[in-house]
Amino acid sequence: DVKVTQSSRYLVKRTGEKVFLECVQDMDHENMFWYRQDPGLGLRLIYFSYDVKMKEKGDIPEGYSVSREKKERFSLILESASTNQTSMYLCASSFTGTSGHHWGETQYFGPGTRLLVL
Amino acid sequence: AQKITQTQPGMFVQEKEAVTLDCTYDTSDQSYGLFWYKQPSSGEMIFLIYQGSYDEQNATEGRYSLNFQKARKSANLVISASQLGDSAMYFCAMREPSNDYKLSFGAGTTVTVRA
Repeated sequence: DVKVTQSSRYLVKRTGEKVFLECVQDMDHENMFWYRQDPGLGLRLIYFSYDVKMKEKGDIPEGYSVSREKKERFSLILESASTNQTSMYLCASSFTGTSGHHWGETQYFGPGTRLLVL
Repeated sequence: AQKITQTQPGMFVQEKEAVTLDCTYDTSDQSYGLFWYKQPSSGEMIFLIYQGSYDEQNATEGRYSLNFQKARKSANLVISASQLGDSAMYFCAMREPSNDYKLSFGAGTTVTVRA
């Protein structure tokens, strides 16, 4: 079974704080993703990575950065948290698969982190 | 433009009955993939079923089946014999080459199964 874990289920931070969200997968997947989920908007891609030390912007990267120093770990960083970053954050991973493209096969998700910025 | 449209924000279904969740998509690619995920109140997104655009048969996985109508750009999820544990939010998603194979998600449909 694919296992994707996230460091916290719930997090409360103050405006202006630096926030780290950690994600770890144990299936040797090449690709990892960070999404945020807001009511009525579905999931929106923040950043993704298809290899160690590689990162690509998703649809809403503003206010976020990422780090991938090891294959199994993908971190999302909020440099200076703001109230509009209050959201549910979901990490996912996938194989590149036989198709050969970085987006690979099915994405498997972690349990999510509910972040509240006050 | 919205790539994935789920028009039903919420639905109620009686236990043991079937329920159909609507999903329409917008793409000009010939090759693409369609996914359904389930998100219980715990928050984790659980992969349910996948349909490739060139698959001739509708995908099925246990009690889940996908009613794929390519000409109508429709990929409805059918859950048969609903169980209380099926109460969750359900998301339709698409992956297409012209969008760098990124997953685009719909807004989701909340299903509540009544005993």
